[in-house]
Amino acid sequence: EADIYQTPRYLVIGTGKKITLECSQTMGHDKMYWYQQDPGMELHLIHYSYGVNSTEKGDLSSESTVSRIRTEHFPLTLESARPSHTSQYLCASSDLTSRGTIELFFGSGTQLSVL
Amino acid sequence: GDSVTQMEGPVTLSEEAFLTINCTYTATGYPSLFWYVQYPGEGLQLLLKATKADDKGSNKGFEATYRKETTSFHLEKGSVQVSDSAVYFCALSDQYGGSQGNLIFGKGTKLSVKP
Repeated sequence: EADIYQTPRYLVIGTGKKITLECSQTMGHDKMYWYQQDPGMELHLIHYSYGVNSTEKGDLSSESTVSRIRTEHFPLTLESARPSHTSQYLCASSDLTSRGTIELFFGSGTQLSVL
Repeated sequence: GDSVTQMEGPVTLSEEAFLTINCTYTATGYPSLFWYVQYPGEGLQLLLKATKADDKGSNKGFEATYRKETTSFHLEKGSVQVSDSAVYFCALSDQYGGSQGNLIFGKGTKLSVKP
């Protein structure tokens, strides 16, 4: 059973506010990810991390930043939110299987609305 | 680079109808293939996977066979239910860590099943 948690589930904020989306996993996975999902459902990888003190930018450029101080925690921060940041944000972690392939486990997501 | 192409939706079916969602891929190396499902308001869940050619993944009545000769991994179910209404994502993982070892997702296919 996957144990990866995101808070809050829904967030409505005004333009210019600083926000942090929380993501935690209890599976001991080294690799974690943030995806942005647009209304058309397509997933865009915006950040990932191989482990503590590792952060990498994904395929889609994002104004958000991430940190990885603890293995289980991978928060995403927007310093100044704008309406263009309105989206669903999905956190995931992965385990390397015995065949050397990766399998992702996802949180339930945070739906962010910036007014 | 590696890529996944899946049929565009939305797909609307009546209950007990047969479902096929097409997925084809382009990859170097020897990818593993996945189908993920996203129910309304939730994150993605792994539905099934196949790690080598001719493998058949199956779960909850869904099946997909890894066809290397046609580079395909089509999702099928013989009799859909209203509860199968969701968005379905095809994905691949390069066994040799291509794309930084991240999953490559298709754009998703929304399925709606009517009673």
